Amino acid sequence: DGGITQSPKYLFRKEGQNVTLSCEQNLNHDAMYWYRQDPGQGLRLIYYSQIVNDFQKGDIAEGYSVSREKKESFPLTVTSAQKNPTAFYLCASFDGTPGNTIYFGEGSWLTVV
Amino acid sequence: QKEVEQNSGPLSVPEGAIASLNCTYSDRVSQSFFWYRQYSGKSPELIMSIYSNGDKEDGRFTAQLNKASQYVSLLIRDSQPSDSATYLCAVNRSGGSNYKLTFGKGTLLTVNP
Repeated sequence: DGGITQSPKYLFRKEGQNVTLSCEQNLNHDAMYWYRQDPGQGLRLIYYSQIVNDFQKGDIAEGYSVSREKKESFPLTVTSAQKNPTAFYLCASFDGTPGNTIYFGEGSWLTVV
Repeated sequence: QKEVEQNSGPLSVPEGAIASLNCTYSDRVSQSFFWYRQYSGKSPELIMSIYSNGDKEDGRFTAQLNKASQYVSLLIRDSQPSDSATYLCAVNRSGGSNYKLTFGKGTLLTVNP
């Protein structure tokens, strides 16, 4: 089945550690996105990539890093510089067709312990 | 002014009633508008999209867009308890290939049996 796979679903991080969230899609979509959602809040854009080997900061990029070495993969690293990383992280992709929109993976829960 | 604003709710309606969800946006060049539904702990799923002024109906859902007033709404007819969720309004503010969505904070809807 085609879709967007995020892993792990649940992740616990100790303070001072970097962690990487995986996002893989087999939809052949060029554009991929990372959003963060805090309880009772909407989605805020962290980073997005319109094409392989290119990515751009979203609204809350500080403390995060990404790479886009392959079309299928867009991993997000939450660095120790992100002081409040506990949140629900959502990866999404878009096929670029006018009139279509982005579709989400199932999300990853990150908790700092 | 926030880019995309929604009534935070919660909005509570009885089963069978019409639920009305509202959203305003600040950027007049916004081109496309979406409503996502998000159940607690899950990722958002697309339920409606609208691009032109007027109404668009899909089953029990009707999206309404008024670009002059920078306003988009979602009506849910014959509301069911299964419609209880957070509804997110999203706006595509960018044209061309630089596609990204900006989300409101969402409105929590509760449909009471």
